[in-house]
Amino acid sequence: RKEVEQDPGPFNVPEGATVAFNCTYSNSASQSFFWYRQDCRKEPKLLMSVYSSGNEDGRFTAQLNRASQYISLLIRDSKLSDSATYLCVVSPGPRYSSASKIIFGSGTRLSIRP
Amino acid sequence: EAQVTQNPRYLITVTGKKLTVTCSQNMNHEYMSWYRQDPGLGLRQIYYSMNVEVTDKGDVPEGYKVSRKEKRNFPLILESPSPNQTSLYFCASSSLLSLSYNEQFFGPGTRLTVL
Repeated sequence: RKEVEQDPGPFNVPEGATVAFNCTYSNSASQSFFWYRQDCRKEPKLLMSVYSSGNEDGRFTAQLNRASQYISLLIRDSKLSDSATYLCVVSPGPRYSSASKIIFGSGTRLSIRP
Repeated sequence: EAQVTQNPRYLITVTGKKLTVTCSQNMNHEYMSWYRQDPGLGLRQIYYSMNVEVTDKGDVPEGYKVSRKEKRNFPLILESPSPNQTSLYFCASSSLLSLSYNEQFFGPGTRLTVL
């Protein structure tokens, strides 16, 4: 089983729709969770961190469910510019531990159509 | 401008010919890392470095070497490249100053083809 799993998609939704996708992780000791966005052939960029209490940034909402070991990303009122691949990122160790490996999911491709 | 640079951006080479991909950051970051990205497999960490002269293996270190002699540079070395190392490579850096995870800044990527 992969340490971090995402539905690869593609999710193809109309502009203005709400779309959500999840990411599951296998290591229950994981401590930090993030969503990155990657445009085609470009480098990944941080979209948002995911906190236990959930967090919202404009049209984007991220949530963490530790009991079920998944994180989610919700995009409301989707725009054409939201078309990208969304990468789930999990860091299994504390910040300064020697186990500072950072694990990326393989990404979920989102395509917004006019 | 704060950035991570990688060179070369594109490289086609042949099996066995040693190559180095350079990575440099101007943000005074302690943490640097190399990833490879392959279809269906996502980004996989090759090596990372917590500071100068401190490096450690990621998930897929076989066939790669790194060094961290200076804070700003973290070159990736392929001593004897093989076709299965054909991939898109990203270098990334981040600060370790705060106790919580900090954003990783990625370079633009190096597309390597080994024939």
